[in-house]
Amino acid sequence: DAKTTQPPSMDCAEGRAANLPCNHSTISGNEYVYWYRQIHSQGPQYIIHGLKNNETNEMASLIITEDRKSSTLILPHATLRDTAVYYCIVRVAMNYGGSQGNLIFGKGTKLSVKP
Amino acid sequence: EPEVTQTPSHQVTQMGQEVILRCVPISNHLYFYWYRQILGQKVEFLVSFYNNEISEKSEIFDDQFSVERPDGSNFTLKIRSTKLEDSAMYFCASRGRFYGYTFGSGTRLTVV
Repeated sequence: DAKTTQPPSMDCAEGRAANLPCNHSTISGNEYVYWYRQIHSQGPQYIIHGLKNNETNEMASLIITEDRKSSTLILPHATLRDTAVYYCIVRVAMNYGGSQGNLIFGKGTKLSVKP
Repeated sequence: EPEVTQTPSHQVTQMGQEVILRCVPISNHLYFYWYRQILGQKVEFLVSFYNNEISEKSEIFDDQFSVERPDGSNFTLKIRSTKLEDSAMYFCASRGRFYGYTFGSGTRLTVV
């Protein structure tokens, strides 16, 4: 089962920041937080990941709390094309202890960006 | 940008028939995966493949399923005798040593 809790749905106005929360209170010290999204029925798309420091890339920012029990994905200027299901996933670092780092998806948050 | 390619995009098959879903992972990737998503449900892990063997599989991946990397570029998923409940989107994914997964656009399998 997924180790994360996300709200089932959220709305965001186009051009505004979308802040998607995720709770992962049982996260282990060797587990990263990954974010993926799925637009309509396409394959999931990698967005960003982090361990304990905040991360930013061209798509989004990831804010992880100091105790690592929750995180927030930020899309700074949401567009209609960002409408998708967003998945927060925790998993061990790749190749740690022989793990292949399989992704286990939950139900995610359905983000609707409205004009 | 490199892509994972899946063919066909849509496959319709009769119950009891064998199907082979094909994937061409990104060329320098080492790890390969199959996932499926039944309409309206979660994306579910099926199997992971590394160094020419299955490294992990889920309870869904029973004896009816098999995977193969026959020629060093293709990665296939075979379902021996399809059931109605096998109808789903099937996603192939690959990854390199240190980066995230890249998923294909999926094959929609419809069993009638």
